[in-house]
Amino acid sequence: EPEVTQTPSHQVTQMGQEVILRCVPISNHLYFYWYRQILGQKVEFLVSFYNNEISEKSEIFDDQFSVERPDGSNFTLKIRSTKLEDSAMYFCASSEWTGNEKLFFGSGTQLSVL
Amino acid sequence: RKEVEQDPGPFNVPEGATVAFNCTYSNSASQSFFWYRQDCRKEPKLLMSVYSSGNEDGRFTAQLNRASQYISLLIRDSKLSDSATYLCVVSSGTYKYIFGTGTRLKVLA
Repeated sequence: EPEVTQTPSHQVTQMGQEVILRCVPISNHLYFYWYRQILGQKVEFLVSFYNNEISEKSEIFDDQFSVERPDGSNFTLKIRSTKLEDSAMYFCASSEWTGNEKLFFGSGTQLSVL
Repeated sequence: RKEVEQDPGPFNVPEGATVAFNCTYSNSASQSFFWYRQDCRKEPKLLMSVYSSGNEDGRFTAQLNRASQYISLLIRDSKLSDSATYLCVVSSGTYKYIFGTGTRLKVLA
């Protein structure tokens, strides 16, 4: 079964450093998403991406965050200057369409900011 | 009011029991509804979509009540392997899906 892959599975970084989280969505999917989950809390929407541009973003997704699809397969989330409160599990997801279609999630990147 | 609200539980039930979870949503324009399952520290995985007429998949039954803006999940004949957090997910047809906080289920031997 096709799957969404995320790398790395764990990332440890110092506060203020830049991190890039990588995702390879399912190949025929057109819509891509980033979610995050702080330990013990709910899964929170960050951003959705379609046709090489951001479709929607949440209040969490401020100027420190950016997304990119640098080639035909990768989808990245960059955090420019990490804060302690950015520590969370970051999930990438993709869907064939949006709205009514189910999301397929990657296994996540656990980001720890020290 | 939260966009998607769930009782966090935990629900502790014996094997073989029937258990039901509810979820309420605030946006009356919501169009699509899902139940996902999340095991500890893992990614959410789709359990089932929820259709207007209600739907069943084996031991799992989902219902939608648009008038009252809630969806439900019924699990019959609970198994130990059903122990997980059940996430209610709602989409208004735009580019984001909103997750509830999840309801924890623990099935006891």
